[in-house]
Amino acid sequence: EDKVVQSPLSLVVHEGDTVTLNCSYEVTNFRSLLWYKQEKKAPTFLFMLTSSGIEKKSGRLSSILDKKELFSILNITATQTGDSAVYLCAVEAWGTSYGKLTFGQGTILTVHP
Amino acid sequence: EAQVTQNPRYLITVTGKKLTVTCSQNMNHEYMSWYRQDPGLGLRQIYYSMNVEVTDKGDVPEGYKVSRKEKRNFPLILESPSPNQTSLYFCASSPRVTTYEQYFGPGTRLTVT
Repeated sequence: EDKVVQSPLSLVVHEGDTVTLNCSYEVTNFRSLLWYKQEKKAPTFLFMLTSSGIEKKSGRLSSILDKKELFSILNITATQTGDSAVYLCAVEAWGTSYGKLTFGQGTILTVHP
Repeated sequence: EAQVTQNPRYLITVTGKKLTVTCSQNMNHEYMSWYRQDPGLGLRQIYYSMNVEVTDKGDVPEGYKVSRKEKRNFPLILESPSPNQTSLYFCASSPRVTTYEQYFGPGTRLTVT
């Protein structure tokens, strides 16, 4: 059974801090790893990672995948109160599970002014 | 406006009373999916559909049914709801048979008493 574990489950920081969120996975026939941000509504897409060692960046957010060690990290630099959200990691696979997405529990990030 | 709509947005019902949550997208997307979200458990996939008349089970399909008779609609049916199906439900769609570019609906909060 596919499994995704995120850590920490929650994190409280102050504005300006840098945070690192972790996502480890076990999946047969790995296809991609996805990061989403969820505020008080539906999740919104952040990154898709398929290749090991290639960093994806969007402003202050960046993410990288390690396919050998089966994990990904999401970094947020110079955090702002608007970064407060739940960050979700998910993996998808090829083969008979193509189209199936398995999510982690999420990391609740709270950024104080 | 490109969007995924869900109805109803809020529903309180009683055990055993059949209900349907509708999901519709106006983007001609091939892929559609249903998730439930519970505190501490992240998002869990219920069912997904790669195209019309093609549906597959996600991680938690028990107690749910779906159908995909038209490309735009993907209703979620609870034949005999139980209190453990109290949850926040999201429908999502994406343009191709790849999940990264998912557009999520606004969510349906269901309470079964």
